[in-house]
Amino acid sequence: DAGVIQSPRHEVTEMGQEVTLRCKPISGHDYLFWYRQTMMRGLELLIYFNNNVPIDDSGMPEDRFSAKMPNASFSTLKIQPSEPRDSAVYFCASSFSVRANEKLFFGSGTQLSVL
Amino acid sequence: DAKTTQPNSMESNEEEPVHLPCNHSTISGTDYIHWYRQLPSQGPEYVIHGLTSNVNNRMASLAIAEDRKSSTLILHRATLRDAAVYYCILRDLNNAGNMLTFGGGTRLMVKP
Repeated sequence: DAGVIQSPRHEVTEMGQEVTLRCKPISGHDYLFWYRQTMMRGLELLIYFNNNVPIDDSGMPEDRFSAKMPNASFSTLKIQPSEPRDSAVYFCASSFSVRANEKLFFGSGTQLSVL
Repeated sequence: DAKTTQPNSMESNEEEPVHLPCNHSTISGTDYIHWYRQLPSQGPEYVIHGLTSNVNNRMASLAIAEDRKSSTLILHRATLRDAAVYYCILRDLNNAGNMLTFGGGTRLMVKP
């Protein structure tokens, strides 16, 4: 398996524009997670899905952020409208389960810059 | 949730062993100890995990104190490619919704 695949690797956009980040989890994994990493706040969990259903979105910063998982092999994180403070690295991760002894596998991330 | 405390940074020489400490004095009996690392410009990567006994794998060893209030990640021979931020994280066996929560981690610098 190629691992968790994220696209694009880098995204530069202007304030107010819509941004869509994409993720393909590892085949067979039932859980998908979106994290955000900034210098100030470190790695934060935004939302996670189980079998394509959003389970906990309490980490989503505000209504400008939305995430979907239309099928088991694809998820998107959308920011509309984007703001400079959304600049961060966004990581997608997947796992078989959320048992305490389970591993998470992370993608390489999308570096988002909002000008 | 039980918290972990790690030094902000550590230095090591190449080809020498590295001992990365983690304190978790409020750990519960059902908390697994996980270690992840993040190489520059990469996502976090699983390293090792354990509950009570010491663990070894191809990447590292995990030494867990008898009272479980601290643990140490051991890299037996550091290479330049081991330069990364290392995160020590607790996950509760009894809490199915307990997600991986990352703290500040330890930035390991490896000198040639």
